[in-house]
Amino acid sequence: NAGVTQTPKFRVLKTGQSMTLLCAQDMNHEYMYWYRQDPGMGLRLIHYSVGEGTTAKGEVPDGYNVSRLKKQNFLLGLESAAPSQTSVYFCASSYGRLFGEQFFGPGTRLTVL
Amino acid sequence: SQQGEEDPQALSIQEGENATMNCSYKTSINNLQWYRQNSGRGLVHLILIRSNEREKHSGRLRVTLDTSKKSSSLLITASRAADTASYFCATVRNTGNQFYFGTGTSLTVIP
Repeated sequence: NAGVTQTPKFRVLKTGQSMTLLCAQDMNHEYMYWYRQDPGMGLRLIHYSVGEGTTAKGEVPDGYNVSRLKKQNFLLGLESAAPSQTSVYFCASSYGRLFGEQFFGPGTRLTVL
Repeated sequence: SQQGEEDPQALSIQEGENATMNCSYKTSINNLQWYRQNSGRGLVHLILIRSNEREKHSGRLRVTLDTSKKSSSLLITASRAADTASYFCATVRNTGNQFYFGTGTSLTVIP
């Protein structure tokens, strides 16, 4: 099992550009999450999903959109990137219950110039 | 934000010593979790303690929870160089669907 994978690992964008981060899990988990991690601030929840076709807002959802068209994939989109979105993005998944034990991907380092 | 706070921010100990880090939070919770993050990697779940539990063990890890003080502690006994990492607490609130991480403790174990 690959667990949770994220694509790409690194990306540099210019202000105003758009991109999509892909998260995939092969553990058949119901719940999936997107976080961002900034220096000195820990991780903050952007959006999450309780199942295929569902999404919900986390603590810092502004500027991001998500989609869960397939159970194994959770996409995070930036429509018009801003320098404030420079961060490391982590995807995670869990089973059994919302916000249970989460399995994390390796992260995507995004820089917006 | 209901982000938790870890204390200390950084901790440096000799191999074989015990390491204790603390987490405080602001509102009532359903459960509290501890995660480890090695440099440049994703987080790894260590232990979950429910609000009606006071202590939990897993190998060399011992977690306590004091809901009256809104605080938790993580004890790592007989530390090893491989324990060098950042440790985060995370809380699930009793109301609403939100999950909050603390700011983390950076642990360095010197061989």
